[in-house]
Amino acid sequence: AQTVTQSQPEMSVQEAETVTLSCTYDTSENNYYLFWYKQPPSRQMILVIRQEAYKQQNATENRFSVNFQKAAKSFSLKISDSQLGDTAMYFCAFMKAMYSGGGADGLTFGKGTHLIIQP
Amino acid sequence: GAVVSQHPSRVICKSGTSVKIECRSLDFQATTMFWYRQFPKQSLMLMATSNEGSKATYEQGVEKDKFLINHASLTLSTLTVTSAHPEDSSFYICSASLGGYSNQPQHFGDGTRLSIL
Repeated sequence: AQTVTQSQPEMSVQEAETVTLSCTYDTSENNYYLFWYKQPPSRQMILVIRQEAYKQQNATENRFSVNFQKAAKSFSLKISDSQLGDTAMYFCAFMKAMYSGGGADGLTFGKGTHLIIQP
Repeated sequence: GAVVSQHPSRVICKSGTSVKIECRSLDFQATTMFWYRQFPKQSLMLMATSNEGSKATYEQGVEKDKFLINHASLTLSTLTVTSAHPEDSSFYICSASLGGYSNQPQHFGDGTRLSIL
């Protein structure tokens, strides 16, 4: 079984600042995917960024980037030039990779970090 | 593309009632769908994996007779909470991946807020 740990229950930064959310995980799997999801007050789950464990290059999506350290089992999210709309719960999630045709696996989520962007 | 629709968005009912929640993939086929539960201010917990045409796989601690899952087609999975009680009140959310492959991202429905009086 795998576990995902987010050690920051809440963070608050000023608009336009850069903020980093931490996530560590534990697994015996070698092939897996890691995700960051955003959940605003509407409670819709929005995929922010995805990282394949076999890729050494860190994933980036516009203002969002990750620092993936496989050996350390660490997967932090950096948000640059933070905006008021970034205020939300952020969940780090793990998914075991299945071989082609083997179907998909469910996500294991961390407890989340409540990010507040102050004007 | 890749839209998942969940219905109803909110249900309020009396204790002892059975409640059915639908999860539909609108523009893609989803061999596998997932059901999660989220208590207030907590994380999402996987309840079960729903596979088209076969029995669902439940996570440890989830009562399969309490939470009935049916995945009758490639675009529809249903979760029925049988004889619901106040402790079943929660936010239920489904997800699906294109073709059911793990190299495809999971897309979530908007969730169902279930309140049992």
